[in-house]
Amino acid sequence: AQSVSQHNHHVILSEAASLELGCNYSYGGTVNLFWYVQYPGQHLQLLLKYFSGDPLVKGIKGFEAEFIKSKFSFNLRKPSVQWSDTAEYFCAVTPLNTGFQKLVFGTGTRLLVSP
Amino acid sequence: ETGVTQSPTHLIKTRGQQVTLRCSSQSGHNTVSWYQQALGQGPQFIFQYYREEENGRGNFPPRFSGLQFPNYSSELNVNALELDDSALYLCASSRLADIANEQYFGPGTRLTVT
Repeated sequence: AQSVSQHNHHVILSEAASLELGCNYSYGGTVNLFWYVQYPGQHLQLLLKYFSGDPLVKGIKGFEAEFIKSKFSFNLRKPSVQWSDTAEYFCAVTPLNTGFQKLVFGTGTRLLVSP
Repeated sequence: ETGVTQSPTHLIKTRGQQVTLRCSSQSGHNTVSWYQQALGQGPQFIFQYYREEENGRGNFPPRFSGLQFPNYSSELNVNALELDDSALYLCASSRLADIANEQYFGPGTRLTVT
């Protein structure tokens, strides 16, 4: 079965620190890859997505992620975090051979940025 | 904010009861998916509806059922509620033809089963 692993469940950083959140997936076929963010009290929002082309994708709010196919990884990065980045971050994949869209999510990483 | 709305916001039910949750899709979207997010977990795919028919299902029992209407709004029905059904239920809409399969999420309905 497809699965997504996020290795860091809780991350605490100071403002201006660099961020990297790990994401690995287990699926042998072609997938689309996503990072979603859930700010406190808000709904899930798309940060960035990868479906083909340049494996380094840039999203909103200065976030980027790199797809490394050989490692089945799609790590999220940001060079300098802000207090407003405090949120829960979810990595997700969609296998493309099912005939329907099915997001498989990781368990999430809760990020706390202290001012 | 996306154009996906859900109702009600919160709901409390008793074990064994039935519940119906509602979702309105974003304009221009013809596909609706439902997810269950238990506390401390990522969302889990329940099923997806396209053109008023279920076209994909996750690992959920038959007492989880749904409907999609001609205006692409949707309902999630859960029969014989169990305590473990307590969760945030998320609806997401998308255009099935969108190669990036981007799904837009609603705010969710928090269901508590006592």
